[in-house]
Formats: sequence, C-alpha cells, structure tokens
Amino acid sequence: SQQGEEDPQALSIQEGENATMNCSYKTSINNLQWYRQNSGRGLVHLILIRSNEREKHSGRLRVTLDTSKKSSSLLITASRAADTASYFCAGGASGSRLTFGEGTQLTVNP
Amino acid sequence: GAVVSQHPSRVICKSGTSVKIECRSLDFQATTMFWYRQFPKQSLMLMATSNEGSKATYEQGVEKDKFLINHASLTLSTLTVTSAHPEDSSFYICSAREGVGISTDTQYFGPGTRLTVL
Repeated sequence: SQQGEEDPQALSIQEGENATMNCSYKTSINNLQWYRQNSGRGLVHLILIRSNEREKHSGRLRVTLDTSKKSSSLLITASRAADTASYFCAGGASGSRLTFGEGTQLTVNP
Repeated sequence: GAVVSQHPSRVICKSGTSVKIECRSLDFQATTMFWYRQFPKQSLMLMATSNEGSKATYEQGVEKDKFLINHASLTLSTLTVTSAHPEDSSFYICSAREGVGISTDTQYFGPGTRLTVL
C-alpha cells in the first residue's frame, strides 16, 4: 500500500519560477528518494537523501528531510518547460523496497 | 551508466494469452530487481521483489501464479503475465538495484511496458 502523501497533487507555474513539492511518510525510513516521470515513461532518479541528512543539493534541485515530522520537500529553482513531469517521493529502508507517494504533477508554462 | 531496459515497450494481446516482459540492467549487475504496476495518473504499486537465483517475494494481494517472475542472472529478470485478462492492462515498470559485494539504495528504472489486453 502507498504510505506517502504528496502535496500538492498538481502544480502549475511559469517558467523561471521555483517549484516546491512536499512529501510525507508514515513509517521509519533509511533514505528518501525523489524521482521524475514523464508521461508514459519510466522513472528517472533525481536525488537520494539519507535519514541522517537534513538537506541536499544537486544542480537546480534542493531536497530537505525532517525525520521528526516525517516529511521531505523538493525545490526546483528557475524552472523550465522541460521540468514538466510527475514527481514522486519514495521512502526506503536499507536494502529494502521503496514505498512511493502519490506524486505531484508539475506543469511549467513557457 | 546505470541503464535499465525493458522489452517490449508496448504489447497488445488477446484475453487468455500469456505475455513475457524482460528487464535488463545494461551496464551493471543487479542482485535485486523490482516489478511495479502503474495505473493511469496513479503512483507505482510494488508487485514483487526479485533476487537473483531465488524465488521472488510477492506483495500482499499479488497472485504469484498469475505474475511469474524469474531472475535467472544478475542482468535479467522476466515477468510473465499468464492468461492475461483486460483487467491486467496496465503500465509495468521494473527497477534494478546495483550491488554485488556493495550495497546501494538507489533504484534505476526501466522505461516501462504498456500492456493492453483485448
């Protein structure tokens, strides 16, 4: 069963703006991962943050993790039309399977 | 690096036939592969975890006789949908976790297979 919830379910912004997506989870995790999925395609791994980390950066991506609140956020800065996709968070226990959130559909308008 | 392929990308079959989907890790060895199912505009639902050389572990509610999984080598896992019916129509995605002698939590996903059962 899905244990992650993502907020918002859909987000529409203009190119150049920042996009923030939030994710909450229910069980204990060892790491939390963010993925992007273009329509009808597979998932692309974006970033992994471990439970002992609070923030991580990768290019235009910034991920935070608050284990006390069991929540994470993904910030995409200076968004581009090519960032339009569905974004999923997934909680993972070490050596174990991922539990995916419901996803956020991001639309970046040119 | 870390590329996962799936074949076929799209398949249409008649009700009652069996369909085999292949998942390959192209440039790394995957001790563990995962099979997911995704309905339109929904998230991924894990079906089973496949470890090389051993039986797959199925999630609750997934029929193992319906969805046969074989992980015969460190680079190949197959999912066979037996006696497919229209309700089996879905997007099936595999992922692979790298690791022989090392441990990594990152999963790399294949491009998915769209199954349509008529």
